[in-house]
Amino acid sequence: QLVLTQSPSASASLGASVKLTCILSSEHSSYSIAWHQQHPDKGPRHLMKLNNDGSHIKGDGVPDRFSGSSSGAERYLTISSLQSEDEADYYCQTWGTGLQVFGGGTKLTVL
Amino acid sequence: QKQLVQSGPEVKKPGTSVKVSCKASGFTFSISSIHWVRQARGQRPEWIGWIVVGSGSTNYAQKFQERVTITRDMSTATIYMELSSVRSEDTAVYYCAAENSFDYWGQGTLVTVSS
Repeated sequence: QLVLTQSPSASASLGASVKLTCILSSEHSSYSIAWHQQHPDKGPRHLMKLNNDGSHIKGDGVPDRFSGSSSGAERYLTISSLQSEDEADYYCQTWGTGLQVFGGGTKLTVL
Repeated sequence: QKQLVQSGPEVKKPGTSVKVSCKASGFTFSISSIHWVRQARGQRPEWIGWIVVGSGSTNYAQKFQERVTITRDMSTATIYMELSSVRSEDTAVYYCAAENSFDYWGQGTLVTVSS
C-alpha cells in the first residue's frame, strides 16, 4: 500500500534552517513526490516536484530558500533563513497507477 | 499567468448533487491531466479523481466511484466535478489541480451540505 508518513509538527527559530521529512512506504522507495505549502484558511501552493535522486523542479516563484533532497525512501524539504511567513502546514504527495496519496502534513512553527 | 479558477461556494441539501467548475487559463501548452481533491477542516487533502484532458478518460478513487463524475469542455478549457447524493460528511473545500504533481491549484470551492 502506497503510504506517506510525516511528523505532525516541527519548529525552528527565525533565520534558522529546518528540514522536514516525508517517508515513502518501503516498496515505493523510488517514487517521486511533490511538496506543498498551505497557510491557515488558504489553498495549497505547489513548492516542488522531488525525484528519488534528489533532483527537483520548483514551482513558479518559489524562493531559493526552499530546496529538496532524497535518501532511500525519505524525501526532504529544507527551508533556510526561516521567515515568519514560512509558518504553515507542509504536505508531501505522491502518485501511483490510478491513485494519489497525501501525507498527514507537518505543521511548522517559526519561533 | 497560469491559473485555475474555480466556481463559487455552494450550499446543498443532503441527497442533492453539486457541480464545481475549474477553468484553466494561461497555459501555453495543454495540461495533460486535472485532478480533484477535497479537504475537510483540519484534515489532509483527499484525492477524488482525475481526467486526462486530451482523451477525456477518467479515474476515480474507490471511495467516490459511485457518486462522482468528472468531465471537461475543451471549447472553454473548463473541467467539472459533479458529486451526487451529498451528505454532511461531504462538507469540505474542493480543489482542482493540474498534473500528477499538482503543479497548479485552483483557489478552492467551499461546499457546505446542510439541511
